Amino acid sequence: ETGVTQTPRHLVMGMTNKKSLKCEQHLGHNAMYWYKQSAKKPLELMFVYNFKEQTENNSVPSRFSPECPNSSHLFLHLHTLQPEDSALYLCASSQGLAGGPDTQYFGPGTRLTVL
Amino acid sequence: GQNIDQPTEMTATEGAIVQINCTYQTSGFNGLFWYQQHAGEAPTFLSYNVLDGLEEKGRFSSFLSRSKGYSYLLLKELQMKDSASYLCAVMDSNYQLIWGAGTKLIIKP
Repeated sequence: ETGVTQTPRHLVMGMTNKKSLKCEQHLGHNAMYWYKQSAKKPLELMFVYNFKEQTENNSVPSRFSPECPNSSHLFLHLHTLQPEDSALYLCASSQGLAGGPDTQYFGPGTRLTVL
Repeated sequence: GQNIDQPTEMTATEGAIVQINCTYQTSGFNGLFWYQQHAGEAPTFLSYNVLDGLEEKGRFSSFLSRSKGYSYLLLKELQMKDSASYLCAVMDSNYQLIWGAGTKLIIKP
């Protein structure tokens, strides 16, 4: 595997389900990010991790819970979601610590549909 | 507030040239990025400008004017595979990326 991978690629869940999104980066990077991408809207930064430590939480509802066990893996745990949470969830990583002029590299995303 | 503006959609012909504009108003400036995103795929890095002027990379060029808060992405010799969304993003004074909503580029034969 190379680059940034995400699983699953597609997910359909009910509002009472609990599911998790997984991201893995094979680039040796130190920072990882979760973004939400809705149709015709700018990417919304959700969470940032530097060396496994969360440094950013952009007022994300508690029904989204991130986990970063090491600098290569990032999870997004989902529970009690709403239909408006349906979107493409993108994971990204960057070489340096978030907080510097670094290029971010993205995974292909998980297309989430909440029924 | 911080704002990035780019056209929602553009159409161009195969073999032609197209220019996608991006204007920004941000708290500070630490560079401007362009990404390409094909439908259902990851955004992929195209270019980074931090100084004024034109950066050329094959068929793609990116221009920046910091005094005008303006950038453009120039695509030459368009190919069908260039049909994609093009995302403009500015890194602000806190090194956070502020994103535009993207420009969907449609290439016609």
